[in-house]
Amino acid sequence: AQTVTQSQPEMSVQEAETVTLSCTYDTSESDYYLFWYKQPPSRQMILVIRQEAYKQQNATENRFSVNFQKAAKSFSLKISDSQLGDAAMYFCAQANAGNMLTFGGGTRLMVKP
Amino acid sequence: DTEVTQTPKHLVMGMTNKKSLKCEQHMGHRAMYWYKQKAKKPPELMFVYSYEKLSINESVPSRFSPECPNSSLLNLHLHALQPEDSALYLCASSQGWGAPVDTQYFGPGTRLTVL
Repeated sequence: AQTVTQSQPEMSVQEAETVTLSCTYDTSESDYYLFWYKQPPSRQMILVIRQEAYKQQNATENRFSVNFQKAAKSFSLKISDSQLGDAAMYFCAQANAGNMLTFGGGTRLMVKP
Repeated sequence: DTEVTQTPKHLVMGMTNKKSLKCEQHMGHRAMYWYKQKAKKPPELMFVYSYEKLSINESVPSRFSPECPNSSLLNLHLHALQPEDSALYLCASSQGWGAPVDTQYFGPGTRLTVL
């Protein structure tokens, strides 16, 4: 069975600063995919970034980047130059072939002006 | 266009009512999903449809009845619900189901309250 753990229920960051959200996962599969989703309060869940496990290069998407450590089964999300609009619940998720997402418990990110 | 739409946005129903939630996507995706999300919790998968056929039912009670009339539409029929069924119901879609893994795109959800 897969498990995804987000050890930080809440995080806060000052506007314009950098914050890192942690995620660890456990799977016996060699082929899998990792995702970070963002869910702002009362708004739609959107994909932030996606990483294929077979790719060694860390995915980046503008101010968002990941640190993918396959051996350690770690997949952290770094948000640079934090903005007020980044305040949201962030979910780390993992999928093996078959598209079934296993979500972590979420990290609530607060951004202070 | 990565839009998944859901109606209604909010729904209040009694335990004896019958209601339906609707989800629509026009991205040509062939897999569609229903999730249930309680406050401050991650989404929990309920059902998966692939090519309009039910592929996964995560042991959901029969008072929830999914339907996929065509490749763009997904319904969730509700009957004799319990107050503990109150939650945000999310629909999602992806290009396909299987390998390789396709990104799931989520709708805004229907906030359901059962009185």
